[in-house]
Amino acid sequence: ETGVTQTPRHLVMGMTNKKSLKCEQHLGHNAMYWYKQSAKKPLELMFVYNFKEQTENNSVPSRFSPECPNSSHLFLHLHTLQPEDSALYLCASSRAAQGVQETQYFGPGTRLLVL
Amino acid sequence: GQQLNQSPQSMFIQEGEDVSMNCTSSSIFNTWLWYKQEPGEGPVLLIALYKAGELTSNGRLTAQFGITRKDSFLNISASIPSDVGIYFCAGQLPLGYGQNFVFGPGTRLSVLP
Repeated sequence: ETGVTQTPRHLVMGMTNKKSLKCEQHLGHNAMYWYKQSAKKPLELMFVYNFKEQTENNSVPSRFSPECPNSSHLFLHLHTLQPEDSALYLCASSRAAQGVQETQYFGPGTRLLVL
Repeated sequence: GQQLNQSPQSMFIQEGEDVSMNCTSSSIFNTWLWYKQEPGEGPVLLIALYKAGELTSNGRLTAQFGITRKDSFLNISASIPSDVGIYFCAGQLPLGYGQNFVFGPGTRLSVLP
């Protein structure tokens, strides 16, 4: 248990569906992150929230829409995805974004398959 | 942008052998983190290093923060089958250098009984 939970763990969706991924951290952190992990590629940072404010959008297509209602919860809303969006989506948290001596803790991920 | 290189990309070892892997960059980092990821799971933090030259152990794992702040290594002693997985390094860039954490591509470790 890393203190970061993600639901669902697995998701299959069609290209016309709308779904949401949820992340919750129980570590008292103030920064939360979404990463995409595709086979044989390094982790790709998608979004960063620091104290509920989005501080980074790493050129992510608009079919991915993040939401951070408070420091403990992070959502990723998905709509009209493409098959190449199939991947493991990882959430992480840290005390703060760009803080000193930060450590990121990851959730177990949501394995997404787009048909 | 900043990149981390990890080597080796993959390794096959016999159970009981020691393992060494490293992470290098042309950029300076303030923090080095080592993670292990097993299939279908998220990366789990193994060791965090915060100071140049720091040497830290976690059971059979030992990691060091290079004195140039551009590299780090991870050693695993007396490997066992459950050490199988992908080991990632991550570096935290100094403030003002854009994307704060940079991840390496991973070293895939296989342990043969």
